[in-house]
Parts: sequence; structure tokens; C-alpha cells
Amino acid sequence: LAKTTQPISMDSYEGQEVNITCSHNNIATNDYITWYQQFPSQGPRFIIQGYKTKVTNEVASLFIPADRKSSTLSLPRVSLSDTAVYYCLVGDDVRFGNEKLTFGTGTRLTIIP
Amino acid sequence: DTAVSQTPKYLVTQMGNDKSIKCEQNLGHDTMYWYKQDSKKFLKIMFSYNNKELIINETVPNRFSPKSPDKAHLNLHINSLELGDSAVYFCASSQETSGYNEQFFGPGTRLTVL
Repeated sequence: LAKTTQPISMDSYEGQEVNITCSHNNIATNDYITWYQQFPSQGPRFIIQGYKTKVTNEVASLFIPADRKSSTLSLPRVSLSDTAVYYCLVGDDVRFGNEKLTFGTGTRLTIIP
Repeated sequence: DTAVSQTPKYLVTQMGNDKSIKCEQNLGHDTMYWYKQDSKKFLKIMFSYNNKELIINETVPNRFSPKSPDKAHLNLHINSLELGDSAVYFCASSQETSGYNEQFFGPGTRLTVL
């Protein structure tokens, strides 16, 4: 049973807002939701993290509904440099088992000029 | 200064050989990880160490043996390499084991088994 589900790919034009949704129906009470960005030939890089409601930083916003069964990463006014794979990570403490820290399948975002 | 470094960046070898990948972090973190990323870009955790102690060992063949000489290093040794071991291997670290701790990833080691 997959812990998280994301769209495989998305395309968007420069300057638009992009929303990527991750489904995590079996999220546990202590799980946090974290999003990572990965460029080709690089390791993933932290973007944003949240537990509930909305979180915003200088790069993105993260929307989490009350039931926490999904989350949406929002990238405002994307540029070509935002072309990357975006991973949703849902997890608690790894000491409770490997299933407690699972990356999603990743969403390949392509920004079109 | 690179936070999490891995060597080598590329590794090409023949089936049946034994090879090692080294990882070092200078962030003072207590927890380190090894991930495998296959050709479909799935990122799967293999091992996790906390304060030099193994806390996760995913269903990884025992040909893979992690070694943590100290908190700053987590090396991965692979015996009797197989074609299916070809992948990119990422090392990562975090302050603690909790899921709210940001993970810092290394640049990856692309392993190709011929």
C-alpha cells in the first residue's frame, strides 16, 4: 500500500502559479509533511514542511486540509529554473520503522517558456 | 564547504566485484541515511543510522553493508555486485530521527554495473 500518491508529471508556463497535490490517506497523527525538490544529477533539497493548515516561506506555500489526507505545494509565478522533480515525504520518527519515512513517486514539473 | 559529501560521484564496475561508497557530513547531525534511486526516480530508503547505531534496515540484500565509524560518516559497502544494483545512491543526514527534521542530501553516486 503506497503511503503517498502524486501526479507523475505536470507542465506549466512561466509566470503561472503551480499547485502539486500529494495524497496521503493513511497519514498518522504524528506524521509531518515535507516537500523536496530535485534537479537532474543532484540530491533532493528541502522546500517546505507542515503539519496542518497553511505554511508559507520565501519559496513556496503548503496547504494542508483539516483531515490531513492530502497536501498541496504551491509555487507562485514559476520560472524555467523551477523545472525539477518534486517529492512529497510523509513521516514520523524513523526509529518506529522504515515505513514511517516514505517518499512519494515524485512529480516531474516542466516549465514552458 | 559541502554539507554532505559522497565519493566517488561515478562508479563503473563489473558484476561480481565489491565496491564501497563513502559519505561524510559536517553538519554535526546525529542521523544519517542511504537511499537508492532507480531509473524510474523512485527514492527508497535503505538504511538509517542514529549516533552510529543502525535503526533502519529496509529489505536490502545482505550484500549491502553500511558502516558508521563515527557520527559524521556512513559508508556503504556492496559485495558481489549485480546488474540490478545499478542506480544512483544518495547519502543524507538530519539532526535527529524525527520526520520533522530536514534531511540534507549529498550529490549522489551513480553506480553502473556491467
